[in-house]
Amino acid sequence: NAGVTQTPKFRVLKTGQSMTLLCAQDMNHEYMYWYRQDPGMGLRLIHYSVGEGTTAKGEVPDGYNVSRLKKQNFLLGLESAAPSQTSVYFCASADWPGYPNEQFFGPGTRLTVL
Amino acid sequence: SQKIEQNSEALNIQEGKTATLTCNYTNYSPAYLQWYRQDPGRGPVFLLLIRENEKEKRKERLKVTFDTTLKQSLFHITASQPADSATYLCALDDNAGNMLTFGGGTRLMVKP
Repeated sequence: NAGVTQTPKFRVLKTGQSMTLLCAQDMNHEYMYWYRQDPGMGLRLIHYSVGEGTTAKGEVPDGYNVSRLKKQNFLLGLESAAPSQTSVYFCASADWPGYPNEQFFGPGTRLTVL
Repeated sequence: SQKIEQNSEALNIQEGKTATLTCNYTNYSPAYLQWYRQDPGRGPVFLLLIRENEKEKRKERLKVTFDTTLKQSLFHITASQPADSATYLCALDDNAGNMLTFGGGTRLMVKP
């Protein structure tokens, strides 16, 4: 099993450009999450999904959109990138209603917005 | 919303000693608390979970305590090794089972 994979690993954007980050998991998990991690800020939740076709806002959702059309995939979109969105983005998944719902993380995507 | 505090300063210890990391939280007490390890350039990896009704949990050289009165969890690594050097994150659930809130992490450096 590959676990949680993220595409791409690195990306450089210019301000105003758009892009989509792809997260895929092969563990049949119901829950999926998108976080961003900035120096000294820890992991902050952007959006999450509790199942196929559902999405919900996290702590820092502004400037991002998400979609969960298939259970195994969770997409994070930036419609008009800003330098403040320069960060490392992590996707995670968790089983439900299994307990405990430890989260399994992908390797991250390092995004730079110029 | 939950606020979590971890020591942002790096913890430097000698190999063989016990490392103790602290996680303090405000507001509500979570149903459970988790600890993760993160190596540079990688995603966090789950280590241990402790429930609100558990005082202590152990796994090999790792020990976690949970004091809901103090609103604090302590994470111990005994007989520390250089390979234990990493950033350790604590995370608290939202009591609905939907999401975790992570602390900023503490970087541990174990010197030979």
